[in-house]
Amino acid sequence: GENVEQHPSTLSVQEGDSAVIKCTYSDSASNYFPWYKQELGKGPQLIIDIRSNVGEKKDQRIAVTLNKTAKHFSLHITETQPEDSAVYFCAASPSGNTPLVFGKGTRLSVIA
Amino acid sequence: NAGVTQTPKFQVLKTGQSMTLQCAQDMNHEYMSWYRQDPGMGLRLIHYSVGAGITDQGEVPNGYNVSRSTTEDFPLRLLSAAPSQTSVYFCATRDRTNSPLHFGNGTRLTVT
Repeated sequence: GENVEQHPSTLSVQEGDSAVIKCTYSDSASNYFPWYKQELGKGPQLIIDIRSNVGEKKDQRIAVTLNKTAKHFSLHITETQPEDSAVYFCAASPSGNTPLVFGKGTRLSVIA
Repeated sequence: NAGVTQTPKFQVLKTGQSMTLQCAQDMNHEYMSWYRQDPGMGLRLIHYSVGAGITDQGEVPNGYNVSRSTTEDFPLRLLSAAPSQTSVYFCATRDRTNSPLHFGNGTRLTVT
């Protein structure tokens, strides 16, 4: 089955700097790659997603890149702000109506 | 439109007790699922359902039962709670393959 590895597990950046979180997946048939943000005491919320026919997607300060050949995808957050502090999860979806497989998460701290 | 509602928010059980975690959604999503979140382990799938009357096991199903008699509800039952089931439980739904998951705000369960 699909396996998703996520790095780093913790990340601290200064406010205004960029943050990058990387994930690799094992199933070459996976075709949907969402990113979720989880704030304290809440459930994860989708922040951006990318499908396998696209190499890059951007939404304001957040971007995701996908390298299908290398089977890895990354989340980029520019001009970080204290409210970006949270746990971030990547996930991959094998083909068909099968469940998402999540990485173990990255705790991002933005230091003011 | 409440989205995904989980009850209770907090629960303390003694070893051997039983309980049901409730999940209800008002988005008419066919797909519903249960995850548990433990420190350093990310989100692990317990059970999922692709429609009323259909359920399937995820990565960590042992000790949990589910049923799906309606589109709206997907309860998770612990028949005999164990300390290893201390965790935060999330219900998540989506309307079709490769669409975003919508999470509830979780139930924090402690088994003593």
